[in-house]
Amino acid sequence: DSGVTQTPKHLITATGQRVTLRCSPRSGDLSVYWYQQSLDQGLQFLIQYYNGEERAKGNILERFSAQQFPDLHSELNLSSLELGDSALYFCASSRLAGGAGAYEQYFGPGTRLTVT
Amino acid sequence: DQQVKQNSPSLSVQEGRISILNCDYTNSMFDYFLWYKKYPAEGPTFLISISSIKDKNEDGRFTVFLNKSAKHLSLHIVPSQPGDSAVYFCAARAMEYGNKLVFGAGTILRVKS
Repeated sequence: DSGVTQTPKHLITATGQRVTLRCSPRSGDLSVYWYQQSLDQGLQFLIQYYNGEERAKGNILERFSAQQFPDLHSELNLSSLELGDSALYFCASSRLAGGAGAYEQYFGPGTRLTVT
Repeated sequence: DQQVKQNSPSLSVQEGRISILNCDYTNSMFDYFLWYKKYPAEGPTFLISISSIKDKNEDGRFTVFLNKSAKHLSLHIVPSQPGDSAVYFCAARAMEYGNKLVFGAGTILRVKS
């Protein structure tokens, strides 16, 4: 158990809909990362938050947004869903945003999103 | 542009023997490399890491080797155990990109008993 929790575990929704994925980081971790894993692909970095502020952005679509709340949990919002958005979405956390000791990220179990 | 490549989609090894998983990268700015293991229906689990200033890091049965001139790293598992059967991801980070990780596509390791 990494200490990172994600809800829901599974989500099935229709095209055009909007969903929210939730992540709670490990106790004491200030940095949260979101990754997307499509079928047979490696994990693609989407976005990073550190202590409530956006820190880095990857290949995140404009239809997707995220935020980190004062209690450090994070939400990833996916809107106008398309079939191609079906994937595993992982959240990870680490103590710091960068520099020494920040590299190891601990992953949650993921949310499997199916868009029909 | 795939900056981190794991060219072997799968590897099968006999229990007790050595497993060698390989990873190549193209970005010379990468300064830290990590290996993650992933079981089905679970998130990736951190296994071992290595800084670009080192060429070897060992932790129990797991050893990671880094060859900077060849932009190549490998993970050795000795001896391999059936419980090691999983997908192994190589990941890299560059300080200029913050702490985001760039992952390879993964290698499925099967350890036969």
